Amino acid sequence: EVQLVESGGGLVQPGGSLRLSCAASGFTFSSYEMNWVRQAPGKGLEWVSYISSSGSTIYYADSVKGRFTISRDNAKNSLYLQMNSLRAEDTAVYYCARDRGRGEYYFDYWGQGTLVTVSS
Amino acid sequence: EIVMTQSPATLSVSPGERATLSCRASQSVSSNLAWYQQKPGQAPRLLIYGASTRATGIPARFSGSGSGTEFTLTISSLQSEDFAVYYCQQYNNWPPWGFGQGTKVEIK
Repeated sequence: EVQLVESGGGLVQPGGSLRLSCAASGFTFSSYEMNWVRQAPGKGLEWVSYISSSGSTIYYADSVKGRFTISRDNAKNSLYLQMNSLRAEDTAVYYCARDRGRGEYYFDYWGQGTLVTVSS
Repeated sequence: EIVMTQSPATLSVSPGERATLSCRASQSVSSNLAWYQQKPGQAPRLLIYGASTRATGIPARFSGSGSGTEFTLTISSLQSEDFAVYYCQQYNNWPPWGFGQGTKVEIK
């Protein structure tokens, strides 16, 4: 069974940093592209970042470019999101989501999410 | 960037009735369109990909149609567990992966 479990969320002050993790199991993690998607309270879904299976290709939404860094450790079956210079508008539930793969770029599995709150 | 627009924002439907949700893309996304269901406090769940293919385990009362810029998600006979928010997503031109703003299906 595919499982994605996020952790690392919490309360942080504006300008602070946080590192999110996503532990993957039930599939060959190193074969799949991965994403982070966020959802502000009461709002819709916003794609944040993408990383290819090897980690060689990375994309970011304009709203986080230069502040967030996505990475992965295939040996540990883990995905990460380093978030720096956090702003109030980064407050959201952050989900990791798996790309279907095989040239199909929709998200077939999602974690349960971890809440990040940026507030003083 | 492709902008996805969903309508209506809220749909009030009685159990057992049909629900029709719309999604429009600002430019053609071919058939590279997915639908997700999200219930309160839960992660999104994949319902439909390729505009019309149901994901594994999704009941046949869910169907998707359309191509290019106009898409529809139909729930043929609403069950109590279907009241949720539904999002469309294009994956034809990326980054970014664009989501619609969502349609909330509520009990009438």
